[in-house]
Amino acid sequence: ETGVTQSPTHLIKTRGQQVTLRCSSQSGHNTVSWYQQALGQGPQFIFQYYREEENGRGNFPPRFSGLQFPNYSSELNVNALELDDSALYLCASSIPSGTGSYGYTFGSGTRLTVV
Amino acid sequence: AQSVTQLGSHVSVSEGALVLLRCNYSSSVPPYLFWYVQYPNQGLQLLLKYTTGATLVKGINGFEAEFKKSETSFHLTKPSAHMSDAAEYFCAVSRLVTGGGNKLTFGTGTQLKVEL
Repeated sequence: ETGVTQSPTHLIKTRGQQVTLRCSSQSGHNTVSWYQQALGQGPQFIFQYYREEENGRGNFPPRFSGLQFPNYSSELNVNALELDDSALYLCASSIPSGTGSYGYTFGSGTRLTVV
Repeated sequence: AQSVTQLGSHVSVSEGALVLLRCNYSSSVPPYLFWYVQYPNQGLQLLLKYTTGATLVKGINGFEAEFKKSETSFHLTKPSAHMSDAAEYFCAVSRLVTGGGNKLTFGTGTQLKVEL
């Protein structure tokens, strides 16, 4: 079975620009979550998608948005980039398990640098 | 609110020595707890998880953790450290979010260094 794949692996953007990050979930997983990991910190939950609908969101502004497609792949879009958006963005996939007991499979992440 | 606290941002052990990474949780209901490992420039890999049942959980690479409700702890251990264990380790708790989904709340991480 294939794991979670993310693209691109690295990205440099200018403040104010927009960026799209992509994620393919692990085979059989229909739930996708996105996390932001700033340098030296633990990952922070951005949002989760299930059946193409957002079903949970963390404390991130609306300029962070997402999509999930019928094949369960997903995109994270960030508008009006700020310097503080520089981070490793992690995608994680799972199967729905109510309280999350199943666990998540993480991708290797996209390193975004905003200059 | 459910959260986890990892004591010690950096831990250093000798190769062959016991590894002990500490994690305490706060939760008003029985939590689902996880340990993840992150190697440099990589994503997170699940080491083990506690959901229900046996409180001693065995994971990959020789790691195990014990859920102790009385101490609200879920410490990660390995009897004998190997150089390849050098990485950052994250404790996490799963919680429901508005909308019906769930999320992982992570601790701040512990960087494990293994010395010869």
